[in-house]
Amino acid sequence: DVKVTQSSRYLVKRTGEKVFLECVQDMDHENMFWYRQDPGLGLRLIYFSYDVKMKEKGDIPEGYSVSREKKERFSLILESASTNQTSMYLCASTLTVSGNTIYFGEGSWLTVV
Amino acid sequence: AQSVTQLDSQVPVFEEAPVELRCNYSSSVSVYLFWYVQYPNQGLQLLLKYLSGSTLVKGINGFEAEFNKSQTSFHLRKPSVHISDTAEYFCAVSVYGGSNYKLTFGKGTLLTVNP
Repeated sequence: DVKVTQSSRYLVKRTGEKVFLECVQDMDHENMFWYRQDPGLGLRLIYFSYDVKMKEKGDIPEGYSVSREKKERFSLILESASTNQTSMYLCASTLTVSGNTIYFGEGSWLTVV
Repeated sequence: AQSVTQLDSQVPVFEEAPVELRCNYSSSVSVYLFWYVQYPNQGLQLLLKYLSGSTLVKGINGFEAEFNKSQTSFHLRKPSVHISDTAEYFCAVSVYGGSNYKLTFGKGTLLTVNP
């Protein structure tokens, strides 16, 4: 069975802290993504990676960075967390095949206080 | 660039009633279309997808969707809903032959099934 695992389901961090959200997939997928989900706004793409050490900005990259040192792992980094980054973060992955299904993790709820 | 509009943010229905969740898209090129479901406190899972061929697509849990190219729509239907169908539903589109991974999502429709 396909598996995308987000290491932390619930986090509470203080303003200004550096935050790491980790994601691991076991399907040998080339592409990995970080989305942010907010009520009434749907899913918005923060960053994606199409290969190890390769990344591209999505629609809302400001305030975030990413790291992909190994194919199975994709990390989202908030260099200095702010209250407006309180949100649900979803990691996903897929093969590089047109029309292929994107598989999602269960999400990480981040609260910045 | 493509875009997706889900016409209803909330749809309340009674158990065993039929339901339709509406989705329209815009794109200057051919697209792939998806419906994902998100149950409370979970990630998204694929309900169904349209890639090519028959315009009526059947998915999991008794859902189906019809691709209408002339109306640029991909509405999701179920003839009889259950309490367990209560969830948020997302329509998504990606461009044919392009960067498949660049899915563009709608803002979601919350389906609430009441007893």
